[in-house]
Amino acid sequence: DIRMTQSPSSLSASVGDRVTITCRASQTIRRYLNWYQQKPGKAPNLLIYAASSLQSGVPSRFSGSGSGTDFTLTISSLQPEDFATYYCQQSYSAPIFTFGPGTKVDIK
Amino acid sequence: EVQLVESGGTLVQPGGSLRLSCAASGFIFSDYDMHWVRQVPGKGLEWVSSIDTAGDTSYAGSVKGRFSISREDANNSLYLQMNNVRAGDTAIYSCARVVVEGYSGGDGTYYYYYMDVWGKGTTVAVSS
Repeated sequence: DIRMTQSPSSLSASVGDRVTITCRASQTIRRYLNWYQQKPGKAPNLLIYAASSLQSGVPSRFSGSGSGTDFTLTISSLQPEDFATYYCQQSYSAPIFTFGPGTKVDIK
Repeated sequence: EVQLVESGGTLVQPGGSLRLSCAASGFIFSDYDMHWVRQVPGKGLEWVSSIDTAGDTSYAGSVKGRFSISREDANNSLYLQMNNVRAGDTAIYSCARVVVEGYSGGDGTYYYYYMDVWGKGTTVAVSS
């Protein structure tokens, strides 16, 4: 089974900060990596698919990079509505997916 | 509007059974793979099960042999039959639409899968 880890598990940041979240897979997953944002009490929202493709309607301050086992999600300038929990998800073993444990971004 | 609405969540005793439903609208349901994902409140997301457009199914190890996923394309509905439930199955269960996007590269065709539409979930509580 492919295991996913994320770091950090939580971070505090200010509006306007550049934020980077890392996701690591236990084996190569090529570019089969998606990122989701989840706000409390809401369904997850797709941000990035195939490691770096921005989902339609998602602000361009969100970007993804990486391949193989190491991936990053970057928010170039944190906005108030970006405070949320972010999950990576591998689809290399589709249709079986695995999520990372999540990274909570809150206000400093 | 593209929408997924789950129902069927309830309080159930350990060892009991229940069936969750997911009603789809606003898109051609039969064109999409569908998945179930669960989340314990305050915890992370856990993939549970999938069914593709041909009816082929997959399950997480934690539910294999106890849960069964199915779909009725004529009714735009997805189901999750949960048998022999345990306390560890307590969670919010959400259905998700999966896009399968193909890319042709120099060395073949690659298929990227991602969950682009999610329901709000239905709560299952397993307790005596």
